[in-house]
Amino acid sequence: SAVISQKPSRDICQRGTSLTIQCQVDSQVTMMFWYRQQPGQSLTLIATANQGSEATYESGFVIDKFPISRPNLTFSTLTVSNMSPEDSSIYLCSVVRQAERGYTFGSGTRLTVV
Amino acid sequence: KQEVTQIPAALSVPEGENLVLNCSFTDSAIYNLQWFRQDPGKGLTSLLLIQSSQREQTSGRLNASLDKSSGRSTLYIAASQPGDSATYLCAVRMREAAGNKLTFGGGTRVLVKP
Repeated sequence: SAVISQKPSRDICQRGTSLTIQCQVDSQVTMMFWYRQQPGQSLTLIATANQGSEATYESGFVIDKFPISRPNLTFSTLTVSNMSPEDSSIYLCSVVRQAERGYTFGSGTRLTVV
Repeated sequence: KQEVTQIPAALSVPEGENLVLNCSFTDSAIYNLQWFRQDPGKGLTSLLLIQSSQREQTSGRLNASLDKSSGRSTLYIAASQPGDSATYLCAVRMREAAGNKLTFGGGTRVLVKP
């Protein structure tokens, strides 16, 4: 299965600032996704990161708040902008390779906004 | 809209007892179902992937069954160990035409007492 390196693993940020999370995959993948897991909750899909075009956002998530880049088939970033304490969550990137059909997740970024 | 439910939400068992975790979904037109393990504050580790055409998958002490017609999957963990303590998540992927998103259940938090 794919190996994903996600950075940073955790961070404590001041409200009003922004944090960019990086996701690096060890091989080219077609589909990359960003998820949010709020405290005590399950995972919610934020957006699908599309290579060469704008990300596709799920209902309730907007580009101004969660801008995403996907410059190539092995790398993506998610920025959490103008943070508030409500943004405190674990953010995870995920990929799927057509051949494997199963999803692989990064180790997650634990974000605390104070 | 696909909905995934996991019961119970939490489970505590003595070491050596078998674990039975349940996952139900409302739309049976699934592509596959995947079971994950999540340790506190960490990312997801894939345990088993069952394709829609399969009835079960096994890996070591883990066995997952799938009954698509009734919308159910069960994860069995034999002879539980304290190291099995974690949250277990099931996730359903719909057919390609419906997109490649995963829909997660709320998870079952497992504690195996020595």
